[in-house]
Amino acid sequence: DGGITQSPKYLFRKEGQNVTLSCEQNLNHDAMYWYRQDPGQGLRLIYYSQIVNDFQKGDIAEGYSVSREKKESFPLTVTSAQKNPTAFYLCASTQVGEGSHEQFFGPGTRLTVL
Amino acid sequence: QQQVKQSPQSLIVQKGGISIINCAYENTAFDYFPWYQQFPGKGPALLIAIRPDVSEKKEGRFTISFNKSAKQFSLHIMDSQPGDSATYFCAASTSGTYKYIFGTGTRLKVLA
Repeated sequence: DGGITQSPKYLFRKEGQNVTLSCEQNLNHDAMYWYRQDPGQGLRLIYYSQIVNDFQKGDIAEGYSVSREKKESFPLTVTSAQKNPTAFYLCASTQVGEGSHEQFFGPGTRLTVL
Repeated sequence: QQQVKQSPQSLIVQKGGISIINCAYENTAFDYFPWYQQFPGKGPALLIAIRPDVSEKKEGRFTISFNKSAKQFSLHIMDSQPGDSATYFCAASTSGTYKYIFGTGTRLKVLA
């Protein structure tokens, strides 16, 4: 089955720790995205990448880092610099070029800081 | 100018009724307007999308109405069912950017 997988589903972090959220897609999509979802605030873009080895900051990149070493993988690291990291994190992907703009989403990772 | 304003924040509808969710935008460069449906604890999934060259698009019980001059678009859910209870997000995008601007979401509850 083609799709996007995120792991883990639930993640607990102590204050001061860095954690890495995994996102893998087998849709052969060029572009990948990380969003943060908080109640009542919709989806806010953290980082996005349209090609391997290149990525851009979104609207709320402070305290986060990413890498794009492979087309199918786009891991997100939540660093200790992120002051309020408890949230639901969503990864998405889309094809670049002619055709549909549809972004496909993964099932999400819920991060809780203890 | 990059915002997409969505209303209402929450909506309660009786089974069989019509659910209407509205979105407004300012950036006239937007040319793709999708609606996503999200169930609790899951990722959003595309429900229906429209481009500004048409004023309406219908897929089953779901219809998007688009008013280019008013810079508004809305989602209509006909014959609403309890299974439609979810959060709905509108979004807007400009060709070539591959970035979405999302509305803040509407939590819909359909009463049985």
